[in-house]
Amino acid sequence: GENVGLHLPTLSVQEGDNSIINCAYSNSASDYFIWYKQESGKGPQFIIDIRSNMDKRQGQRVTVLLNKTVKHLSLQIAATQPGDSAVYFCAENSGGYQKVTFGIGTKLQVIP
Amino acid sequence: ETGVTQSPTHLIKTRGQQVTLRCSSQSGHNTVSWYQQALGQGPQFIFQYYREEENGRGNFPPRFSGLQFPNYSSELNVNALELDDSALYLCASSLPTGANYGYTFGSGTRLTVV
Repeated sequence: GENVGLHLPTLSVQEGDNSIINCAYSNSASDYFIWYKQESGKGPQFIIDIRSNMDKRQGQRVTVLLNKTVKHLSLQIAATQPGDSAVYFCAENSGGYQKVTFGIGTKLQVIP
Repeated sequence: ETGVTQSPTHLIKTRGQQVTLRCSSQSGHNTVSWYQQALGQGPQFIFQYYREEENGRGNFPPRFSGLQFPNYSSELNVNALELDDSALYLCASSLPTGANYGYTFGSGTRLTVV
């Protein structure tokens, strides 16, 4: 399958532990942020999003935190499972049409 | 409800040739965006189509062009292929408005230029 994880920062986590993936963005005009998960051989899959008028949003086992002051975004995954192994991208949109700008990506490896 | 389908899944072309990649959007989605993903990098926005017209474009030369059809499916055409065009090309469909854009990505077409 497609290896999307070459040369990416890698985070190794023990199964059952919590994972925190960080992302810095540069465009202060961005008002909408998304986290995507990309498994080998597949396209990016939406995980969770957050608008700039919020600083925290929770989903099922995932939480996104937004710090606009330092332009930082994080994704927290609770009780990490082997199926969470993938490359995770943060992405941002600054309004207008739906151009989404992706970050570099972080490869998450879950150790059984 | 079908997802986004892209064809072909893999393709090998020679430098200087032309290529057409195809995308069928998810049912009910009328907006299609194309992205290029080089190995080990995040997807880069190429352009977006809405109502059969280009609705926005990233930093890609004119030899990257596209079409959207009345059934919302789309094509990406690349002329005069260069070695650096080797990448995974992703199509995403969405609705134009909403609380979130509901981007749904296909699995991509892996293009290799030799």
